[in-house]
Amino acid sequence: SAVISQKPSRDICQRGTSLTIQCQVDSQVTMMFWYRQQPGQSLTLIATANQGSEATYESGFVIDKFPISRPNLTFSTLTVSNMSPEDSSIYLCSVAGGRAYNEQFFGPGTRLTVL
Amino acid sequence: GDSVTQMEGPVTLSEEAFLTINCTYTATGYPSLFWYVQYPGEGLQLLLKATKADDKGSNKGFEATYRKETTSFHLEKGSVQVSDSAVYFCALSDLNQAGTALIFGKGTTLSVSS
Repeated sequence: SAVISQKPSRDICQRGTSLTIQCQVDSQVTMMFWYRQQPGQSLTLIATANQGSEATYESGFVIDKFPISRPNLTFSTLTVSNMSPEDSSIYLCSVAGGRAYNEQFFGPGTRLTVL
Repeated sequence: GDSVTQMEGPVTLSEEAFLTINCTYTATGYPSLFWYVQYPGEGLQLLLKATKADDKGSNKGFEATYRKETTSFHLEKGSVQVSDSAVYFCALSDLNQAGTALIFGKGTTLSVSS
């Protein structure tokens, strides 16, 4: 299995500011995904981040709001820009490929509250 | 597009009761099917999976069988415990296609009382 860590684990932010979430994996993986889980809801895919290419965003999510970096096969960042209270959610990183073949593993999540 | 439909919760059971959480899917290809569990205050964990028709995934007393004819992957456990209280998510993915993420159902909250 793959072990994934996320930083920060939680944060409380002011409206209009930005937060960058880091995702670190203990092995090289092909695919990394960012999901959002709004309070009491299921997980919604924000974007897919593959190393060496631009992130692919799902409908309703745009790069200006959620810029993503994927500099190597073990690391990715998601930035939540110009935050509003509606961005309050848990943001989860997950990985597939490499040692995580045919299975997705999830990080512990970052719980974001925007005031 | 592909989708997953789960039974609405919450499901409330007494300890040692039988559990079924229904899950059906719609997919154009031949997806892998998963059940994930989220315990209170924790992240998402893979509970079990099945990668082809008639496969049975099992873990911690939970089972689910991939039924292609009924496009279903119902989760069952013969005797639930209080520690099974959590949110359960059914999901599908075609990981054989590069860049394909999981599609989740809405989740079913299970509450088990002693």
